[in-house]
Amino acid sequence: DIQMTQSPPSLSASVGDRVTISCRASQSITRHLNWYQQKPGKAPKVLVYAASRLQSGVPPRFSGSGSGTDFTLTISSLQPEDFATYYCQQSDSIPGTFGQGTKLEI
Amino acid sequence: QLRLQESGPRLVKPSETLSLTCTVSNGSITSGTYYWGWVRQPPGKGLEWIGSIFYSGSTYQNPSLKSRLTISVDTSRNQFSLNLSSVTVADTAVYFCGRQHVLDGWYSGHWFDPWGQGTLVTVSS
Repeated sequence: DIQMTQSPPSLSASVGDRVTISCRASQSITRHLNWYQQKPGKAPKVLVYAASRLQSGVPPRFSGSGSGTDFTLTISSLQPEDFATYYCQQSDSIPGTFGQGTKLEI
Repeated sequence: QLRLQESGPRLVKPSETLSLTCTVSNGSITSGTYYWGWVRQPPGKGLEWIGSIFYSGSTYQNPSLKSRLTISVDTSRNQFSLNLSSVTVADTAVYFCGRQHVLDGWYSGHWFDPWGQGTLVTVSS
């Protein structure tokens, strides 16, 4: 299985901050990388697919970049509703493994 | 707006079979090139992809679960289902169903959107 490692595991930030979350794959996954946001008690919601394509309806303050093994999710200016847990997921090979999550806290 | 809803027993005994159904509404399970999949999340832990199915019945499954897993589709009812046999306490989790978009074939990239709300299934005697 491809291992997905996110860093940091948790992150404290303030409204208005620029935040970057990293995701590293144990082998190349080209650009087959998705980012999800999950709030407590809710299902995940896709933010970015194919490494950098913003899902329809997602605010443009979210952006994704990277290819191969190293990827980042950037939130340009944190809003109160952005405090959540973020997961990366590779869709390059079976099983489609997720990172362990990054909890973004105030 | 497409909606998905998981249903099934919330409590399953060890060694028995966990069975869940996902009902799709406001859209057809046979439309487009979507797959339909399952993901689970043990309490307080991360996400694990279980498996996915196309309306034709073609499936992709997590190898770690494959020996215990059956995923099926019922196009007449606009539903797809998950059966996981010989469960243990380690199978206790919130189970989510979702629609998977596919870029250009399964191995060209895929992602879940939307998801069902999830249902907690507890394995306990």
